Amino acid sequence: DVKVTQSSRYLVKRTGEKVFLECVQDMDHENMFWYRQDPGLGLRLIYFSYDVKMKEKGDIPEGYSVSREKKERFSLILESASTNQTSMYLCASSFQGPIITYEQYFGPGTRLTVT
Amino acid sequence: KQEVTQIPAALSVPEGENLVLNCSFTDSAIYNLQWFRQDPGKGLTSLLLIQSSQREQTSGRLNASLDKSSGRSTLYIAASQPGDSATYLCAVMGRDDKIIFGKGTRLHILP
Repeated sequence: DVKVTQSSRYLVKRTGEKVFLECVQDMDHENMFWYRQDPGLGLRLIYFSYDVKMKEKGDIPEGYSVSREKKERFSLILESASTNQTSMYLCASSFQGPIITYEQYFGPGTRLTVT
Repeated sequence: KQEVTQIPAALSVPEGENLVLNCSFTDSAIYNLQWFRQDPGKGLTSLLLIQSSQREQTSGRLNASLDKSSGRSTLYIAASQPGDSATYLCAVMGRDDKIIFGKGTRLHILP
């Protein structure tokens, strides 16, 4: 079974802190994604990555950065946390085939509260 | 810009009934459509993935269909059970490789 793990289930940080959210997958997937999920807004893509050291902006990249130094690990960084970044953060991964695309597998999520 | 809509936002159904959840999208140029289930406070669990060249996929009591020309997908759940209570989300991957999610349908199966 594919396993996507996230470093924390719950996290509380103060405004202005630098925050790291880690995601690890064990199935050698090329693609990895970071989303945030908010009531009434649904899931929104922050960043995604097709390969090591590759990154692409999603729909809401402002205030975030990412790092992918190893294929299995994709980190989301909040450079200076703000209260409007309080949210549920979800990581996902998938294979990228030459012709067809494959399903996404999600981690359990990290609920981040910024006070 | 792709928009994905799921109606209704919430649905209550007596146990044992068959039901259909709807998903519509505005741009038919998609690679695939995926249905997920999400339990409260948890991550998403993939249920079914339909490639753009396919019309339907089945897994157990679940059947998902795709009609690209009309921009619609349905998720059919047969013989519903209380354990099916969850939020169901659909997501489409467009030609720009971006994945857009609907806001989900919150399903409650009444025992």
